[in-house]
Formats: sequence, C-alpha cells, structure tokens
Amino acid sequence: DTAVSQTPKYLVTQMGNDKSIKCEQNLGHDTMYWYKQDSKKFLKIMFSYNNKELIINETVPNRFSPKSPDKAHLNLHINSLELGDSAVYFCASSQAQVGQGGETQYFGPGTRLLVL
Amino acid sequence: AQSVTQLGSHVSVSEGALVLLRCNYSSSVPPYLFWYVQYPNQGLQLLLKYTTGATLVKGINGFEAEFKKSETSFHLTKPSAHMSDAAEYFCAVSETGNQFYFGTGTSLTVIP
Repeated sequence: DTAVSQTPKYLVTQMGNDKSIKCEQNLGHDTMYWYKQDSKKFLKIMFSYNNKELIINETVPNRFSPKSPDKAHLNLHINSLELGDSAVYFCASSQAQVGQGGETQYFGPGTRLLVL
Repeated sequence: AQSVTQLGSHVSVSEGALVLLRCNYSSSVPPYLFWYVQYPNQGLQLLLKYTTGATLVKGINGFEAEFKKSETSFHLTKPSAHMSDAAEYFCAVSETGNQFYFGTGTSLTVIP
C-alpha cells in the first residue's frame, strides 16, 4: 500500500491552462503539506493543512489554491499556468499537531509539471 | 528565524570510502533535525532524525549523524560508501510548528 500517493505523476500542459494535482495519504495523519521543488532541487513549502484547516500559507501566487475535502486528501489547483510553474510538486503528511514539532514528514512520489 | 546550510552542493567519493555530508543550522530554540534522501525521480525518504536524547543518531542504510549544539551542526556520515548511495541528500530543521526548512541539498556521487 502506498502511504502518500499523488496523481498524476507527470503533467505536461500549455501556458494559461488550469490543472489540478491530487494527493491522498492512508497513514491516518492529521497534517498534510504541499512543497515545490525547483530545477535546482530546492524544496520550499507552499501550504500546510491540519484536519482540513489551513495553517501554513507561504508566499505563493493566489493562482495556487489548495483544497482539503477531508484530512486524508489535499489537492492543489493551479489557475492560469505560467512557464515558471514548471517544477516537481510534492505532497507530504505527518502526525504533527498545530504547534508540535519533531514529527517525520512522509513524502509522495512527486508530480512533475511542465508548462509549455 | 531558521535556516539550514549544506556545504557542498556536490560531493564525490570512491566506493568504500567515508561519506561526510555537512549540515549547519540556525535556530533560536533547540531544533528538531532531519536528513532525507531523494533517489532519482522519487520522493524524499527519511534517513534519520534527532529530536531529543542521544546526540548520535543512527538511521537506515548504515548512515548516522551527530547533533553538536556548540557547532550548530548535524553532519551525516557513513563509513563505507556503496554505489546505491548515489542520490540527493537534504538536511531539514523544524521547531515547534513542524514547518520544515530544507537545505539546498547535496548530490552524492559514488565512483566505482
């Protein structure tokens, strides 16, 4: 069983399109995250949800909108895609509660987005 | 504010040689420290972590790291490199909010 899964694995699309990436975790965790990894491998957090509530919202264009229908799912919708959005997007989950540190984050396999 | 510095974006070692990947952090409170490994076209996998207690932490695949508060370091080592260790390695720090701050990564090449 895959602990953290993402779909699709690859996504190639044109500028201006809208796309979504889905993430599901079967670990029973309360907290989920979205990260962006750029071409230089730098990982930056974008969003974090705890029990479907947004708790981390880094400086990300408002074209990016996360949605958490339940605590096992955190989807990422991107409007009006731009060339600079090309990256690998990782979903992660952890058992951390708000204000609690030290919990391991478990990562999905990534979604490789290429905007043409 | 937290930050993580990984010295050396690329490290090459011979098979069987010592692996040493450096990580220094800045944190205003005692941190939680992690090392993750990323194999090509895969997600990140936890190697080891330090939360409290023993400062020498053992992880998977023969890796270990030592938390040195006085040096604000958490360097990753492995006595003998294998070809399968070739990957990208990330150090990360978190405090009470469980938000991770990752270093810029070190790409490890193992030379046969």
